[in-house]
Amino acid sequence: EAGVTQFPSHSVIEKGQTVTLRCDPISGHDNLYWYRRVMGKEIKFLLHFVKESKQDESGMPNNRFLAERTGGTYSTLKVQPAELEDSGVYFCASSQEEAQGRGDREQYFGPGTRLTVT
Amino acid sequence: AQSVTQPDIHITVSEGASLELRCNYSYGATPYLFWYVQSPGQGLQLLLKYFSGDTLVQGIKGFEAEFKRSQSSFNLRKPSVHWSDAAEYFCAAQTSNQAGTALIFGKGTTLSVSS
Repeated sequence: EAGVTQFPSHSVIEKGQTVTLRCDPISGHDNLYWYRRVMGKEIKFLLHFVKESKQDESGMPNNRFLAERTGGTYSTLKVQPAELEDSGVYFCASSQEEAQGRGDREQYFGPGTRLTVT
Repeated sequence: AQSVTQPDIHITVSEGASLELRCNYSYGATPYLFWYVQSPGQGLQLLLKYFSGDTLVQGIKGFEAEFKRSQSSFNLRKPSVHWSDAAEYFCAAQTSNQAGTALIFGKGTTLSVSS
């Protein structure tokens, strides 16, 4: 079974440019999460999809970030325009459908996309 | 606010020696607790998790962790470290009474293994 995949593995862009990150979750996983790790800091939650719907986007830093999950399969995270502080590693994770009242579904993580904004 | 603290940024252990990585959490109620490991070029891999019950949890790769409610801790241990254990380790927590919530991570501990 293929794991969570992310593309690209590394992206270097200039300030003001646009970048789109892609995440392909494990097949059949309804839940998809985006996280980000800025250098020297902890991994922080950005948002959570359940199928194609945004369940929680409380971690999105500002309106320069746009996440989509059309059709409930893969997801994209667009940064437009990119700023220096957006540099970091962006992780995607997926998990199976939640059992009622329980949050104990393991989140499977991809290798991350390292974004460098210069 | 909910938080997870890993006090040690970097630890070096000799191969064959024992290992303990510290993790403390601050939550209103006991959360679900996790340890992940990230090797270079790889995604985060779940080592073990605690939901309830037995406070000593066994994981993969010979790791275990002990939940101590009185200390709000969930320390990771391994009796004998191998060179392949060199990686970055993350402690994480999740609200236990709500499905599908995000993980809150500590800052990570980098483990180096010396020969």
